[in-house]
Amino acid sequence: QSVLTQPPSASGTPGQRVTISCSGSSSNIGNNAVNWYQQLPGTAPKLLIYTNNQRPSGVPGRFSGSKSGTSASLAISGLQSEDEADYYCATWDDSLDGQVFGGGTKLTVL
Amino acid sequence: QVQLVQSGSELKKPGASVKVSCKASGYTFSGYSMIWVRQAPGQGLEWMGWINTNTGKPTYAQGFTGRFVFSVDTAVSTAYLQISSLKADDTAIYYCARDRLVWLGESSRSNWLDPWGQGTLVTVSS
Repeated sequence: QSVLTQPPSASGTPGQRVTISCSGSSSNIGNNAVNWYQQLPGTAPKLLIYTNNQRPSGVPGRFSGSKSGTSASLAISGLQSEDEADYYCATWDDSLDGQVFGGGTKLTVL
Repeated sequence: QVQLVQSGSELKKPGASVKVSCKASGYTFSGYSMIWVRQAPGQGLEWMGWINTNTGKPTYAQGFTGRFVFSVDTAVSTAYLQISSLKADDTAIYYCARDRLVWLGESSRSNWLDPWGQGTLVTVSS
């Protein structure tokens, strides 16, 4: 069981906006920044959002992140078929003294 | 460009050992810690721990002590993961990733992993 809780699945149609939630506690999300990773089928994870809401160069503006209290969200607007992937949130956990991942959300583009 | 290139897939018998390499290029190797992440078949990502590439000091997550060893060779900008006494449930893809750490306040931090290696599949089967 993951320290961070994500819905196992999400879906949307092309052009729609979808959000993926990530819930934690005061020892992780409540005190540290959240990062998001995208894992396309059969490939290594890739950094999508860092420090809550920052996009690395090359990541489309359709992807955005936010954090409030002990929860965080990833939003994808203008959904495209190539966005079909697994998405993971991650942060540092002060109690565990290590990084923790959410269980991952499989996004399906209908 | 900054990249991490891992060694190829391995097929091992139970009880054997395996050593996975992760060669860095495009940046100063000893300037960033290296993280190891495990992904079992059909499962999520699991943080195994990290190694300070400057001092060589490893830190292991719970569940990855004893049979798992992180090491580095700074002369060739390469990090290693060695797993001994392999078991069937060690079958997984193992990723290395460069750790970026920024302190946001007195005790608040942001650690992000970028880039990631392509992954090394280790299969343990008799």
